[in-house]
Formats: sequence, structure tokens, C-alpha cells
Amino acid sequence: QSVLTQPPSASGTPGQRITISCSGSNSNIGSNTVNWYQQVPGKAPKLLISSNKQRPSGVPDRFSGSKSGTSASLAITGLQSEDEAEYYCAAWDDSLNGFYVFGTGTKVTVL
Amino acid sequence: QVQLQQWGAGLVKPSETLSLSCAVSGGSFRGYHWSWIRQPPGEGLEWIGESNESGNTKYSPSLKSRVTISLDTSKNQFSLKMTSVTAADTAVYYCARVPRGYNNLYQYYYMDVWGTGTTVAVSS
Repeated sequence: QSVLTQPPSASGTPGQRITISCSGSNSNIGSNTVNWYQQVPGKAPKLLISSNKQRPSGVPDRFSGSKSGTSASLAITGLQSEDEAEYYCAAWDDSLNGFYVFGTGTKVTVL
Repeated sequence: QVQLQQWGAGLVKPSETLSLSCAVSGGSFRGYHWSWIRQPPGEGLEWIGESNESGNTKYSPSLKSRVTISLDTSKNQFSLKMTSVTAADTAVYYCARVPRGYNNLYQYYYMDVWGTGTTVAVSS
């Protein structure tokens, strides 16, 4: 019952720049910060971006996040083969006494 | 560095109770929230709920009637119980550490350390 909508897929060739969108509402992205997670098949998700645009230690600066209104975006510049993974946006939602919601997920393919 | 080690039954019968635990090592238990997330086969991530260090909990609206998250601060562990399970509860279950607070009037809430996941199948 995700309330954050992402495109199912995105692709690019090595070195290209791609962006992934995440659309929400006033109760989630519009009121709270957005996080992004990267998940390689068979592995646990990994925090990629926190609080809209903060990169945890060890995350390459090829990854960047932004937020405007009730939408957010993840950009990957200089796409590399190891970036092939599933990407999820997420945010706290203030409705219904509060809960955390993940986006629908975007599969990134490096061509 | 902080690690989360999780364990629990990998096979649960329909209508019975799913029980999982997660132990925190290499870091402080205090000052964080502790959460459970699940991922059905071939599907996306679903937040189940969380507890702060004082044992105050929040749950997913769709699961709250069946879920309990509790802490054992003496052992640096937290656990998940889900009652009346069905095949729809078959998933990989993850535990995670959650920094939560406010920065420049905005709430921050994210999972920065994850367990490796436990596969739970609901089947008779």
C-alpha cells in the first residue's frame, strides 16, 4: 500500500547520468525528509541518501538527492555497472498516527 | 562497527505466531529507534513498525492489530511477534537501526544499519 510512486525501471549506459523520481503527498514528502536505499538482489538494503541529500560515509558522490514540494529525485552521474540494483525512496508519513513508507522501487539497469 | 544479528523460525504454520529477534553489537542501544521491515518474494519493502529506547512503539496501520515489537535493553536486543500469520506474511524480514530526531524543523528518520535478513515462510 505504498503511497510513494516511483518509475518501475530506469536505464543508462556507463558514464551516463540518470534520475529516479519519487512522488508523494503533503503528509509524507511534503512534511518530512526523504531517504533513498539501494538494494542488490539477495542482499539487505543499504542507505544511500538520508535527509533529502546527505550521503552517509562511504557513498560515492556520484549519488545525489533532492526534494521539491511533494516530490524527490535521486541522480546517479557517471553510471557504473555496480550501480545496477533496485532503488527505493522512503519518508515518514504523518497521517494515521504516523508510519514510515517506502516507494514502489525502481530497477536500474546499466546497458 | 555496529552490527545487527537476527534469528528466528524460518517456517511458521498458518494462524500461528511469527517470532524474530535482533541483537545489537558494536554500538550503543540507547539513542536510537529500532525497526522491523519486510519484503515479500519479488516485491518491495514494507515497514512493519518500530520502538524507541523507552519501549514506545509505532506500527504500520495495516499490521498494527497483529504486531508487537519489544525491547530487552539488558541484552541489547529487540524482537518482533506477529500473530495469526497467513501465506501473505511470507517474506524476508529485516531488523534495522533508526536515527530519529529533528534538524532545522524537519524530522529525520532513516534506517542506517540493517540486519542480513531472515526468510520466513508461512506454510502448513
